[in-house]
Amino acid sequence: AQSVTQLGSHVSVSEGALVLLRCNYSSSVPPYLFWYVQYPNQGLQLLLKYTTGATLVKGINGFEAEFKKSETSFHLTKPSAHMIDAAEYFCAVKKTSGSRLTFGEGTQLTVNP
Amino acid sequence: EPEVTQTPSHQVTQMGQEVILRCVPISNHLYFYWYRQILGQKVEFLVSFYNNEISEKSEIFDDQFSVERPDGSNFTLKIRSTKLEDSAMYFCASSESLGETQYFGPGTRLLVL
Repeated sequence: AQSVTQLGSHVSVSEGALVLLRCNYSSSVPPYLFWYVQYPNQGLQLLLKYTTGATLVKGINGFEAEFKKSETSFHLTKPSAHMIDAAEYFCAVKKTSGSRLTFGEGTQLTVNP
Repeated sequence: EPEVTQTPSHQVTQMGQEVILRCVPISNHLYFYWYRQILGQKVEFLVSFYNNEISEKSEIFDDQFSVERPDGSNFTLKIRSTKLEDSAMYFCASSESLGETQYFGPGTRLLVL
């Protein structure tokens, strides 16, 4: 069975500061990995995904994540936070052969002026 | 840009009543999904659907749930006899193929009284 752990249900940063949202996964086989963002009253929007190849993945809005197999991690980063980045962020895994996404608990990001 | 749409955005129903949640997936997508998010909890997979049949379902997706693609555009989730614990946000998603990105709709908030 797969599982995802997101460390920190709430993260608060200052505008312009580094954003680091942590995600660790458990999977019996190398999975596909995803980060989704949810703005208030909206659906889930894909930020980035890792399937194969380069382990550093760049996504939309300046976000990137690095797949580290040895650490079973897929942490999300952004060098400089903007106010519009305030949202809830979800890490998810999927078996390469399956259809279901397994989500973490989510991390609410607050950006302070 | 094509997007997944869901109706209604909000639904209130009495316990024991049947509800149908509707989704219009992205037009060239072949795989369809339902997820739910109970308030304060993780987004959970319910079911995936391909070629007019269920391809995968979770333990949550019991006999009270059913899915259907009644025509070429709609994808529905029916809950036969709603329970209080069915209150949640229900998300529809679609993807071009099994390994491709799942695009989510804005969700239907279901409240069972």
